[in-house]
Amino acid sequence: GQQLNQSPQSMFIQEGEDVSMNCTSSSIFNTWLWYKQDPGEGPVLLIALYKAGELTSNGRLTAQFGITRKDSFLNISASIPSDVGIYFCAGQRGGANSKLTFGKGITLSVRP
Amino acid sequence: DTEVTQTPKHLVMGMTNKKSLKCEQHMGHRAMYWYKQKAKKPPELMFVYSYEKLSINESVPSRFSPECPNSSLLNLHLHALQPEDSALYLCASSQGTSGRTYEQYFGPGTRLTVT
Repeated sequence: GQQLNQSPQSMFIQEGEDVSMNCTSSSIFNTWLWYKQDPGEGPVLLIALYKAGELTSNGRLTAQFGITRKDSFLNISASIPSDVGIYFCAGQRGGANSKLTFGKGITLSVRP
Repeated sequence: DTEVTQTPKHLVMGMTNKKSLKCEQHMGHRAMYWYKQKAKKPPELMFVYSYEKLSINESVPSRFSPECPNSSLLNLHLHALQPEDSALYLCASSQGTSGRTYEQYFGPGTRLTVT
């Protein structure tokens, strides 16, 4: 099935740095969700976005719903070692029983 | 509380075995989901239950049989699986299936190995 575009596949940053990752699509989505997954665990919902242009924060995380409805970005400020994991974006087109479409995920590594 | 629980955490089964995966949520959510996830890949949707009725089956082989006994419980019955079915099986739930009710909360998963 269709996937959202997330790249690069892996990112390596130094502890304390900020990092930004984005998610793009060729079609419009009405909802964007960002998840983080640790090894052997289920994805944890970080931020949900519902309106074009919406900017939402959750602690050191900030995410935005793109104006065109075809993209979203997630920013992590002042990274710490526990930020390591796989970050997935997911979009929903809307309407009852509309499925989530996931990106391939970005693996984030944080060097102490 | 946004907790979804899954049992067992790990499961090893032979190709002729019958086993079941269990999922439970007490958030009053009316939609529940089964996903399959291979290593370093995103979750792949298998089934969706909405108000205890099966609403989506993503053409999953019949060796996987879902069941929703009530609004809090979701089972996945497994029979005659193949080694390629080895994966992390995730359960998720959401308040509803559209708009702001669609935030899906995942359980920790069951790591299934088919030998």
